[in-house]
Amino acid sequence: DAGITQSPRHKVTETGTPVTLRCHQTENHRYMYWYRQDPGHGLRLIHYSYGVKDTDKGEVSDGYSVSRSKTEDFLLTLESATSSQTSVYFCAIRGPGTEAFFGQGTRLTVV
Amino acid sequence: DQQVKQNSPSLSVQEGRISILNCDYTNSMFDYFLWYKKYPAEGPTFLISISSIKDKNEDGRFTVFLNKSAKHLSLHIVPSQPGDSAVYFCAANDQTGANNLFFGTGTRLTVIP
Repeated sequence: DAGITQSPRHKVTETGTPVTLRCHQTENHRYMYWYRQDPGHGLRLIHYSYGVKDTDKGEVSDGYSVSRSKTEDFLLTLESATSSQTSVYFCAIRGPGTEAFFGQGTRLTVV
Repeated sequence: DQQVKQNSPSLSVQEGRISILNCDYTNSMFDYFLWYKKYPAEGPTFLISISSIKDKNEDGRFTVFLNKSAKHLSLHIVPSQPGDSAVYFCAANDQTGANNLFFGTGTRLTVIP
């Protein structure tokens, strides 16, 4: 199994509060991704990183920001959480091969 | 716009029979296609892939077929087993830019014992 962990695994937060999700890898892979999974939408790319301090937007980046100060950590921040950001968030890493490896997911509920 | 589409949200199959999951795509720049399997409360796990230069790839009970002219791929599972019951996602690699993976909406497969 790829060494990738997400924290927290579950979180309930209030509308308007900032939230940070963490993705940590031990594989030294260059590419890291944040996806959200919603019914009827599958997995949609929020942001991705192709190296330390190199990040870019994905399909659904509004309301989210990311940071990657070290190879092993990729943080996703919801600047001011809204109910539409209630979702399951997955981090993924990708190395020299073409497949991506996913973390266990973080279930976020915004009330 | 969804660049990768899985038009069947669910599929039920008897144990031992063949399961066929379908996927369509629109972007001709996709150069690699993957299937992922997902159990509840777990992350997706890689199952099988195929390069755009091939039309078939086989791995045990799993075979993926690619029809580039139709922009269509399918996953065949033979024989289907109850443990195969899961959500299956089709994904495509965009060779331009950052090699991002684009996912379909998933098909929930139920294998009936």
